[in-house]
Amino acid sequence: GAVVSQHPSWVICKSGTSVKIECRSLDFQATTMFWYRQFPKQSLMLMATSNEGSKATYEQGVEKDKFLINHASLTLSTLTVTSAHPEDSSFYICSARVPPAGLAGSYNEQFFGPGTRLTVL
Amino acid sequence: RKEVEQDPGPFNVPEGATVAFNCTYSNSASQSFFWYRQDCRKEPKLLMSVYSSGNEDGRFTAQLNRASQYISLLIRDSKLSDSATYLCVVNIPDMRFGAGTRLTVKP
Repeated sequence: GAVVSQHPSWVICKSGTSVKIECRSLDFQATTMFWYRQFPKQSLMLMATSNEGSKATYEQGVEKDKFLINHASLTLSTLTVTSAHPEDSSFYICSARVPPAGLAGSYNEQFFGPGTRLTVL
Repeated sequence: RKEVEQDPGPFNVPEGATVAFNCTYSNSASQSFFWYRQDCRKEPKLLMSVYSSGNEDGRFTAQLNRASQYISLLIRDSKLSDSATYLCVVNIPDMRFGAGTRLTVKP
């Protein structure tokens, strides 16, 4: 299967600072990437869909000015949590969807990054 | 109604047991279906896709009933290593996750 990496794997920051999380597709080009958030003992909640070269599409209730998404290339999407607060502490996971001409047998499957655990003090 | 609903669990079973998870989805336009496995503090990993004809992969059997909008996962001969949270995922086309069902297999 395809490989998706995330960096950093964990981060601790002070309240009010901004944190950038990178998501990379290592062996395929992903025109679409997704950002999820998972609170303890809860399921993954889709935050936004990131499309290369265009603005991200945010889910209802997700503040686009707080969670900045940039998908500048076919292999990289970034999520910046601006002015982070303790309630933003969560597990952030990205995924990348294999495009139609991509890996054989993998169309429409999403591959997940290992996640980034954010703790805001 | 939630887009994807699963048995709340948790399921605590002995080794060797057979356990079944159920899932229902609300959008009849859903295109594809999956079961993912998520270990504690890890990312979800694809366990198996779910096809209308049903499919089996070793000890795991998945079934889909489009008319009832229902998906199931059966695990036979449970192993300790099967302990994890199992996520029902529906592609609408963007993936929507169920809340997950926690399985603990005990010796």
